[in-house]
Amino acid sequence: DAGITQSPRHKVTETGTPVTLRCHQTENHRYMYWYRQDPGHGLRLIHYSYGVKDTDKGEVSDGYSVSRSKTEDFLLTLESATSSQTSVYFCAISGQGREQYFGPGTRLTVT
Amino acid sequence: GENVEQHPSTLSVQEGDSAVIKCTYSDSASNYFPWYKQELGKRPQLIIDIRSNVGEKKDQRIAVTLNKTAKHFSLHITETQPEDSAVYFCAARDNYGQNFVFGPGTRLSVLP
Repeated sequence: DAGITQSPRHKVTETGTPVTLRCHQTENHRYMYWYRQDPGHGLRLIHYSYGVKDTDKGEVSDGYSVSRSKTEDFLLTLESATSSQTSVYFCAISGQGREQYFGPGTRLTVT
Repeated sequence: GENVEQHPSTLSVQEGDSAVIKCTYSDSASNYFPWYKQELGKRPQLIIDIRSNVGEKKDQRIAVTLNKTAKHFSLHITETQPEDSAVYFCAARDNYGQNFVFGPGTRLSVLP
C-alpha cells in the first residue's frame, strides 16, 4: 500500500460537535483528495488539494472544510456534525498524471 | 462535468467462468480509466488501468478494453476464483487532469 495513513480510524460523535479527520502521506504527492462512501452512492469527492494551501470543492462539499498547510497532511473538518455525515471517509493521493491510491478509511458515526 | 455509469450493479458467476463489467463516460476529453477492487471493510485497491492512447491492456486474468468512439470501457476477469468476489469500481479522470469520477460499483460474487 502507498504510504497513506488516516486518523482516527473509527469515531463516534454527537450531532453538533466539530470533527477533524487527518490524512497523512509519505509519498510527497502533490494531489490529495477526500471522498465519502455510502451504500448506493459509490465514492463521492468532497474536497481536493492541488498543493499546499490550494484546495477546491468537490461534488458534496456542503458542511465540510479542508486545510493543507504541509504537503504531507490534508485535514477534513466537519464544523457541526450531522447524522447525514455518518459515512466512511477515504483519503486518496495522486502524483501529477499518475495513479490514485487510497488510505485505509475512517468510519464516522454521528449520533 | 464527467459522468460515469457502470453495469451491472450485481453479478454472480460460477467459479471458472468469465465476468465482464462495463462502464460508460460522458466527457470525450477524459484520458485515463482505472479500475478498483474493494473487499468488504477495506480500501479500494487499483487493479488495472488504461490510458486513452491504448485499446486494450491485460494483466494475467484481468483485462481492460477501451472504445474511445463509443466512450465505454470494460473490465474482463477470466477463470474467476472465489477471492475475486468484491465490489469493483471504474473511474475516469476528467479533462482538467487530476480529478477522478467514479462509477457506482458492481458487486461480483463468484460461486464455488
